[in-house]
Amino acid sequence: KQEVTQIPAALSVPEGENLVLNCSFTDSAIYNLQWFRQDPGKGLTSLLLIQSSQREQTSGRLNASLDKSSGRSTLYIAASQPGDSATYLCAVGTGGFKTIFGAGTRLFVKA
Amino acid sequence: DAGVIQSPRHEVTEMGQEVTLRCKPISGHNSLFWYRQTMMRGLELLIYFNNNVPIDDSGMPEDRFSAKMPNASFSTLKIQPSEPRDSAVYFCASGGSSYEQYFGPGTRLTVT
Repeated sequence: KQEVTQIPAALSVPEGENLVLNCSFTDSAIYNLQWFRQDPGKGLTSLLLIQSSQREQTSGRLNASLDKSSGRSTLYIAASQPGDSATYLCAVGTGGFKTIFGAGTRLFVKA
Repeated sequence: DAGVIQSPRHEVTEMGQEVTLRCKPISGHNSLFWYRQTMMRGLELLIYFNNNVPIDDSGMPEDRFSAKMPNASFSTLKIQPSEPRDSAVYFCASGGSSYEQYFGPGTRLTVT
């Protein structure tokens, strides 16, 4: 059974710092991995989608990497800003559209 | 496009009542998902449809829950009878061929 773990559960950093959020999964037979952002009381916003054949994806200050063999993905945020404060969730696609979510990392960027 | 639309945004009901949540996916998307989010269990996939057909409903907690997708632009999630432990935020999401999922704003359900 696929399990998705995100570490740390919460993170507080000063503005401007570069940071890395971690996601690990137990079964390497995945179709894709997606990173989402969730603001309090809101829905999820897709940030990056990495297909199983890809190693990384970039969008602006965000870079996500995928290492299927070790069951890991990282989300790198460069030059963090207070507006980046949110919960970040990773989600593993296990077949077709079936998706397993991690519990998320709550990020707070201090001005 | 207006994105995924869910209604109502908030629902408060008494135990035993029937609850119906509604979702309009993004036009052109052929997959639709219903999720439930709670503090204790996080985000759980309840059911998903592809081309209006239910593909996997293994996440539906019990027979009190049912979901339908009568056409490509509308889906419902029904709970009958509702119980206090059903209180959660219910999200609908839709997706196209890229497997990227787009979420609606959610329905916050409170069962008293």
